[in-house]
Amino acid sequence: EAGVVQSPRYKIIEKKQPVAFWCNPISGHNTLYWYLQNLGQGPELLIRYENEEAVDDSQLPKDRFSAERLKGVDSTLKIQPAELGDSAVYLCASSLVGNSYEQYFGPGTRLTVT
Amino acid sequence: GIQVEQSPPDLILQEGANSTLRCNFSDSVNNLQWFHQNPWGQLINLFYIPSGTKQNGRLSATTVATERYSLLYISSSQTTDSGVYFCAVKTSYDKVIFGPGTSLSVIP
Repeated sequence: EAGVVQSPRYKIIEKKQPVAFWCNPISGHNTLYWYLQNLGQGPELLIRYENEEAVDDSQLPKDRFSAERLKGVDSTLKIQPAELGDSAVYLCASSLVGNSYEQYFGPGTRLTVT
Repeated sequence: GIQVEQSPPDLILQEGANSTLRCNFSDSVNNLQWFHQNPWGQLINLFYIPSGTKQNGRLSATTVATERYSLLYISSSQTTDSGVYFCAVKTSYDKVIFGPGTSLSVIP
């Protein structure tokens, strides 16, 4: 069974440029999460989807961040425009719906904003 | 909101030693998960353990939900155990919160 797939693995952009990250969850997983992880810290949830619906986006900086999950499968997270402080690892995870929330993580995208 | 604490923040072990990592949380939780983040950044599932005790090889975990803590035991540590260990909880209001992690270094 394939795991959570993310691309790209690394991205270097100049500030004020846009950037997008892609995630494909484990087949059959209805719940998809995007996290941000700063160096030396634990992941912080940005947004959680149940199928196509964003059920928790309270931590998503909506002035510059956006996300979509069309058809309830893969998802895209976008930053426009990027700032220096956005340099971090962006992690995607998925899980089955229901009481069990056992999450499985992708390898992450390391973003560097110069 | 709920606070999740992990101790110790850093740990250095000689290969073959045993260790106990702790996760405390300030409110009731529905679920708890332990992860190992390897030096390449990949988060690997260790245990899904909202309560009780589980074992997987040299690792075991215990969660006492009524007392709001979970323990991860590593026995006969190996250099490949190095990395950061996170606990993550899901609160009763559906929030997923990670602890700050315990950084483990196992030296030969």
